[in-house]
Amino acid sequence: DADVTQTPRNRITKTGKRIMLECSQTKGHDRMYWYRQDPGLGLRLIYYSFDVKDINKGEISDGYSVSRQAQAKFSLSLESAIPNQTALYFCATSVAHRGDTQYFGPGTRLTVL
Amino acid sequence: EDKVVQSPLSLVVHEGDTVTLNCSYEVTNFRSLLWYKQEKKAPTFLFMLTSSGIEKKSGRLSSILDKKELFSILNITATQTGDSAVYLCAVPNSGGYQKVTFGTGTKLQVIP
Repeated sequence: DADVTQTPRNRITKTGKRIMLECSQTKGHDRMYWYRQDPGLGLRLIYYSFDVKDINKGEISDGYSVSRQAQAKFSLSLESAIPNQTALYFCATSVAHRGDTQYFGPGTRLTVL
Repeated sequence: EDKVVQSPLSLVVHEGDTVTLNCSYEVTNFRSLLWYKQEKKAPTFLFMLTSSGIEKKSGRLSSILDKKELFSILNITATQTGDSAVYLCAVPNSGGYQKVTFGTGTKLQVIP
């Protein structure tokens, strides 16, 4: 069984719709992250959370929000999706004392028409 | 602004060849450099390097960090088709903001 899971794996939606991407982990890690990956731009950090009460913006948080419902769950929301949010989204986790090594989920491919 | 540059952008080799992938970086408060392999979807962790001159090895893969010249290389010997992937270099900084700067990756294709 995968340690970090993401749902859905693929999603096509229309401009203006609200979308939620979910991430769950069974690794017992405190830290969770959301990234997006675009061709030619690499992985960019959207939000990160060091524990349930700690939520922080990453470098490209505009247009996104997150919720850390439990240690194991971290959701990413697009309140009103726009086409330039079409990308591959990854959730990742890490342990507090070895925060540099991150473990990635399988990704969600989101297309906004 | 932190920067991680990987080269080449893509590479096609034959099985059995040896390849060298490059990663140069400019980051504040350097503490480590990581290599990931990304096949169809999720990046998977390969190495973490923290000190210069330390060569990490895992089977046919090895990596070296040069903190003076600010680069790292990833070597793959006796390449196999299963090595085909995008290889990502990433450098976290140790500022108050948990930022990891990723390079755009080197796409390696190994042909039979």
